[in-house]
Amino acid sequence: DAKTTQPNSMESNEEEPVHLPCNHSTISGTDYIHWYRQLPSQGPEYVIHGLTSNVNNRMASLAIAEDRKSSTLILHRATLRDAAVYYCILRDRGGSEKLVFGKGTKLTVNP
Amino acid sequence: DSGVTQTPKHLITATGQRVTLRCSPRSGDLSVYWYQQSLDQGLQFLIQYYNGEERAKGNILERFSAQQFPDLHSELNLSSLELGDSALYFCASSGGPRRVNEQFFGPGTRLTVL
Repeated sequence: DAKTTQPNSMESNEEEPVHLPCNHSTISGTDYIHWYRQLPSQGPEYVIHGLTSNVNNRMASLAIAEDRKSSTLILHRATLRDAAVYYCILRDRGGSEKLVFGKGTKLTVNP
Repeated sequence: DSGVTQTPKHLITATGQRVTLRCSPRSGDLSVYWYQQSLDQGLQFLIQYYNGEERAKGNILERFSAQQFPDLHSELNLSSLELGDSALYFCASSGGPRRVNEQFFGPGTRLTVL
């Protein structure tokens, strides 16, 4: 499984944008970039995913570098409810369906 | 609410015992996944079932087994329990033919082995 690298922790203020980076320099052409997050005392939840183009949904935006070796999850206006561990995961569309979680980035949102 | 239910929420048992964790996937989802989350190992994939058949295996111990029933609910059986088996066990489900479909996670079962 291709590896991802994320900062251990990040801090943000409420109602400000947050940019969570992820490096995946060994990404292959068939790898999708997925983001999940885990709120305290809950199971992980899907946030967003993309292949090459930037993606937006009601939760977040995903900006993917042109060479696909890195990506950034953007929360446009952080709320206290966004405090969670965010996981960047590569998934091969032709490979196993399992999710391989790294350590993720723990996001703290200050009021 | 993800639509995935897990029972029980908490389980406390002793070493050497056997327990069964139960998962009901979202309505219509054919795939069920089991993950273990411990402090030292993080979130790890254990096993996947698709429509009653085992599809993928991860770092699942031989003392652990799982199955998926015709109504698509799944059970994870843990036997000869050790202290190190204490962890959160999550079940997830997904549906549809695409292999990169999102997975929906249940609230987890917290297992404590004393």
